[in-house]
Amino acid sequence: EPEVTQTPSHQVTQMGQEVILRCVPISNHLYFYWYRQILGQKVEFLVSFYNNEISEKSEIFDDQFSVERPDGSNFTLKIRSTKLEDSAMYFCASTRQGIGLAKNIQYFGAGTRLSVL
Amino acid sequence: AQKITQTQPGMFVQEKEAVTLDCTYDTSDPSYGLFWYKQPSSGEMIFLIYQGSYDQQNATEGRYSLNFQKARKSANLVISASQLGDSAMYFCAMREPQNRDDKIIFGKGTRLHILP
Repeated sequence: EPEVTQTPSHQVTQMGQEVILRCVPISNHLYFYWYRQILGQKVEFLVSFYNNEISEKSEIFDDQFSVERPDGSNFTLKIRSTKLEDSAMYFCASTRQGIGLAKNIQYFGAGTRLSVL
Repeated sequence: AQKITQTQPGMFVQEKEAVTLDCTYDTSDPSYGLFWYKQPSSGEMIFLIYQGSYDQQNATEGRYSLNFQKARKSANLVISASQLGDSAMYFCAMREPQNRDDKIIFGKGTRLHILP
């Protein structure tokens, strides 16, 4: 069964360093998302991406964050200069259908746990 | 105001019993979708079941069913014949397609413990 793949599963970095979290969405999906879950808290939306551009982003997704689809399969989240409060589980999700259709089932990857020291 | 409310932070249930996880939601949109996801201790987010606001029948997927009460804005997840492997965090979530953003909004979750 196709699945969303995320690498690495755990990333440890020093404060101020840049990190790139990688995702391979399900191959025929067109809409891609990043979510964040700080330990013990609920899952929060960061950004959605369609047709090689950001379609929506939350207030969390400030200038330190960027997303890219560098080729036909990968979807990346870059944090330019990590802060302690960026420590969280980051989930990538994808779906075939997009805005306007309620049955927009987003399939999630297993997540990347980011630890900023 | 919270869009998704899960009032049970934790539940303990005996194996083989049925369990109901509560979820209420808030939206003024006539068209929306409701989801339940399971998050085991390993951390991944697993899609369980979907209910559309216009669906006439309650959704079912194997041992999972969704008790959808539209007038009460309630979408409780029912797990029949619980198993040890059902121990996990469960998130109720909603999508409102008429809004420009297409994000899923999650509740705070309910941690379910199945006792042997």
